[in-house]
Amino acid sequence: AQSVTQLGSHVSVSEGALVLLRCNYSSSVPPYLFWYVQYPNQGLQLLLKYTSAATLVKGINGFEAEFKKSETSFHLTKPSAHMSDAAEYFCAVSLNNAGNMLTFGGGTRLMVKP
Amino acid sequence: GAGVSQSPSNKVTEKGKDVELRCDPISGHTALYWYRQRLGQGLEFLIYFQGNSAPDKSGLPSDRFSAERTGESVSTLTIQRTQQEDSAVYLCASKGQFANTGELFFGEGSRLTVL
Repeated sequence: AQSVTQLGSHVSVSEGALVLLRCNYSSSVPPYLFWYVQYPNQGLQLLLKYTSAATLVKGINGFEAEFKKSETSFHLTKPSAHMSDAAEYFCAVSLNNAGNMLTFGGGTRLMVKP
Repeated sequence: GAGVSQSPSNKVTEKGKDVELRCDPISGHTALYWYRQRLGQGLEFLIYFQGNSAPDKSGLPSDRFSAERTGESVSTLTIQRTQQEDSAVYLCASKGQFANTGELFFGEGSRLTVL
């Protein structure tokens, strides 16, 4: 069984501030972890993924996430928020690299203030 | 097509009516998924098609829900006798046969409102 918990359904930061979106997972086997982003009026798109090759994963638009097994976490960060980062972010876990059966978290809506 | 296309983008219906939602996956993609996203909640898996294999229907919430896919093309999600709790955005995603990145390509969704 697997599950994902995203702490904070809404996060608000100022432009230029650090972005930190939290994701904790539960999995009976070593997981594959993903972050997806959904911009307004668009479909979800893959931001980055962890597949055991490296614990620090870099994605598009300056985002990165670090897999911490001891904390069962895969938090998403970006050093400096931009207005265009305003979107909903979903963490997801899969039991295989193919992501055939993704389990999604509840999502976190990121708001960026000027 | 260039991306996953879903129709209608918005559907308002009365309780008890049947609705059909359509998904056109990316050409050549063998895997197709349906998810449901209720307001303020995460994505809920509904059904998964992979090539000519029997679909994984384990996520369908009741027998009012069904989905079909002809070959590796269009899929239709049907909800019979709609209820207010069926109101949600229904998302379709597809993935290529040899894609091992876990990257699903999503459509923009069909927003269903049951009055």
